[in-house]
Amino acid sequence: EAGVTQFPSHSVIEKGQTVTLRCDPISGHDNLYWYRRVMGKEIKFLLHFVKESKQDESGMPNNRFLAERTGGTYSTLKVQPAELEDSGVYFCASSQGSGRIDNEQFFGPGTRLTVL
Amino acid sequence: QQPVQSPQAVILREGEDAVINCSSSKALYSVHWYRQKHGEAPVFLMILLKGGEQKGHEKISASFNEKKQQSSLYLTASQLSYSGTYFCGTECLMDSSYKLIFGSGTRLLVRP
Repeated sequence: EAGVTQFPSHSVIEKGQTVTLRCDPISGHDNLYWYRRVMGKEIKFLLHFVKESKQDESGMPNNRFLAERTGGTYSTLKVQPAELEDSGVYFCASSQGSGRIDNEQFFGPGTRLTVL
Repeated sequence: QQPVQSPQAVILREGEDAVINCSSSKALYSVHWYRQKHGEAPVFLMILLKGGEQKGHEKISASFNEKKQQSSLYLTASQLSYSGTYFCGTECLMDSSYKLIFGSGTRLLVRP
């Protein structure tokens, strides 16, 4: 069974540019999460999709971040325009179930974003 | 809101034991433990649910004190493969939805 995949693995862009990250969850997983880890700090929640709907986007830093999950399959996270503080590793995770988070979340390998 | 993990880092010799603690200021519904090796995806280790149910790794043990809002991960007879960063994730009800809030991680290095 294929795991969660993310593309690209690394992205280096200049401040002010746009970057789009993609996540393909495990097939059949309704829940899709985006997280970000800045070096040495916690894995911080960004948002949660249930199928194609945004269940919770309270962790999104600001309106420069836009996440979509059209058709309830893969998801994209766009940062426009990127700022220096957006640098970090962006993880995607998917899981089964609904409501409570009492099932394993399967993480992707992450996209390392560097904004220069 | 973020759970506090301790220690921040630990170095062991192969075969030694370690305990990683996770403490939250909020009421918890469950505690999740993950291990991440450098450059790889965090890997699920265990979920501890209220009421004592556990799901996960057979060779790793953990405890969950619901009253104290704390969890501990016990690594016994450590192996080289245990090296990595361990994260606890605490399930909390915030803004009417359940969230997994992660700590900053505990870096573990096991040496031969």
